[in-house]
Amino acid sequence: AQKVTQAQTEISVVEKEDVTLDCVYETRDTTYYLFWYKQPPSGELVFLIRRNSFDEQNEISGRYSWNFQKSTSSFNFTITASQVVDSAVYFCALSGWAAGNKLTFGGGTRVLVKP
Amino acid sequence: EPEVTQTPSHQVTQMGQEVILRCVPISNHLYFYWYRQILGQKVEFLVSFYNNEISEKSEIFDDQFSVERPDGSNFTLKIRSTKLEDSAMYFCASSEAGTDFEQYFGPGTRLTVT
Repeated sequence: AQKVTQAQTEISVVEKEDVTLDCVYETRDTTYYLFWYKQPPSGELVFLIRRNSFDEQNEISGRYSWNFQKSTSSFNFTITASQVVDSAVYFCALSGWAAGNKLTFGGGTRVLVKP
Repeated sequence: EPEVTQTPSHQVTQMGQEVILRCVPISNHLYFYWYRQILGQKVEFLVSFYNNEISEKSEIFDDQFSVERPDGSNFTLKIRSTKLEDSAMYFCASSEAGTDFEQYFGPGTRLTVT
């Protein structure tokens, strides 16, 4: 069975602070994919990144960066120099070959960036 | 940029009524999905659909639910007799292929059962 845990339910920061969101996953698949989605107050799900289990290289995209560590089954997400527009709920998700195509989501972390 | 669309954006219905939620996936995508998000909770998988049949469904997807691709563009989720606990945001998603392709989500339909 697949499981994704986001232990932080809510994080509050002041604008320009960095914020790191933790994601820990469990899967029996050897080939799997990890995702982050952003859900702003308007409610839609916005795809941010996909990473496969064979690619442990960290990735940076603008103010966003991701740290994938297979040894600790973690796929953490950092927002650098946060802005008010980053306020949203962020979901980590997992899919794997054996578990079919479905995405298993974590509980989400609400990020509140105060001006 | 192509996107997944969903209608209606908000549906209010009475308990026991049937509802149909509609989705238009991205045109060259082959896999279609429905997910549900009860207010304040995580997103949960309901069903996946490929090659005109259900490929996987969760335990939430009981006999009250059905999916259909009635034509080449629409993908629908029907709830036969709605219950209060069906109130949620329902997201449709599509992907080009299976696991190694990202799923693109529609904006969601908020279903309120009174």
